[in-house]
Amino acid sequence: LAKTTQPISMDSYEGQEVNITCSHNNIATNDYITWYQQFPSQGPRFIIQGYKTKVTNEVASLFIPADRKSSTLSLPRVSLSDTAVYYCLVGGDNQGGKLIFGQGTELSVKP
Amino acid sequence: SQTIHQWPATLVQPVGSPLSLECTVEGTSNPNLYWYRQAAGRGLQLLFYSVGIGQISSEVPQNLSASRPQDRQFILSSKKLLLSDSGFYLCAWSGDRGYEKLFFGSGTQLSVL
Repeated sequence: LAKTTQPISMDSYEGQEVNITCSHNNIATNDYITWYQQFPSQGPRFIIQGYKTKVTNEVASLFIPADRKSSTLSLPRVSLSDTAVYYCLVGGDNQGGKLIFGQGTELSVKP
Repeated sequence: SQTIHQWPATLVQPVGSPLSLECTVEGTSNPNLYWYRQAAGRGLQLLFYSVGIGQISSEVPQNLSASRPQDRQFILSSKKLLLSDSGFYLCAWSGDRGYEKLFFGSGTQLSVL
């Protein structure tokens, strides 16, 4: 299983772009990278997923370099409501269903 | 559309009492099912996962057990709760491919006193 490493916490201000990087040095060929957002007392919810290069949806972008040993979640123009914990999860068909979360990054957005 | 139901939302139990948390999924078949636990201010700890009926993989030995009596039902149990079992318990499901998204239930806040 690919172990993930993220910063424990980050601070930002409203309107800024936030980039959270996740390291996954032993990612397997078949693994995908998925990011989740969690608010207190709620289950995590899916934000974005990618395999390589860049993926963009209505809420975020995901940048994955060619070696795939890291990935960066980019949140454009954050607001106070983006204050949450963000997790990257690496998983693929070769894990037999086992999905282990890393420690996550606690993002605090200030006015 | 698929939905996941988890209950109860909160539970207060004395030490040594039994536990049964139930999770059901609708709108899909043969999902992978998961139980995670989250201590206050901590990350998500994988407890059990199941890729099919009767197939349970355990990540945390302790005094918890899980069962999958039906395709879309996942139950977390304990015969005797410990103080350390307190936490936020989350059930989740995904498709049967390892890279598919996880969808979480609303969680159960368990306090063991």
